[in-house]
Amino acid sequence: DAGITQSPRHKVTETGTPVTLRCHQTENHRYMYWYRQDPGHGLRLIHYSYGVKDTDKGEVSDGYSVSRSKTEDFLLTLESATSSQTSVYFCAATQTAGGVNREQFFGPGTRLTVL
Amino acid sequence: AQRVTQPEKLLSVFKGAPVELKCNYSYSGSPELFWYVQYSRQRLQLLLRHISRESIKGFTADLNKGETSFHLKKPFAQEEDSAMYYCALLRMDSSYKLIFGSGTRLLVRP
Repeated sequence: DAGITQSPRHKVTETGTPVTLRCHQTENHRYMYWYRQDPGHGLRLIHYSYGVKDTDKGEVSDGYSVSRSKTEDFLLTLESATSSQTSVYFCAATQTAGGVNREQFFGPGTRLTVL
Repeated sequence: AQRVTQPEKLLSVFKGAPVELKCNYSYSGSPELFWYVQYSRQRLQLLLRHISRESIKGFTADLNKGETSFHLKKPFAQEEDSAMYYCALLRMDSSYKLIFGSGTRLLVRP
């Protein structure tokens, strides 16, 4: 599992509340990613990070923000949760971006329900 | 535009039958393609990548640049192959982002 964990694994929250999901990795990956997984859409990139304090938007970034203050932690925040953000969220990391092995390793996922 | 298309949402086959999961891509440069698999309620894991030309769990995939395809094949399906399969294209820029297809659910019936 390349040492990637996510917390919480399940969360139910109400519309309008802020929510923060945490991704933690122990392998010193430089690049980290947040995806959401929805039926019929596959995985879509929300935000990604290419180093500490270096982040950028993905294709579905509206309503989400991220922070990376340490190499090992990448936080995803839903500023004011909406029902359309009910989804399964996956964190991923890449071991070496410039080398041959560009496999992304995934966390176990967080199932978020917004009521 | 960079895109990955998996035209089948569901593919149902009997055990022992051949399997082909289709993947087509559009990319202006030289593509690097992957197949990821997700077993029920588990995390995604890499199945194979085209640059290594390997066979994992009996699956193979050949990059066809002329047809812009990277179909996943297995000659004899097993029940344990039932899973969600995603084709993905790596953007070879500073982001190293993966572009995923919408996925195909493979169901292998006994």
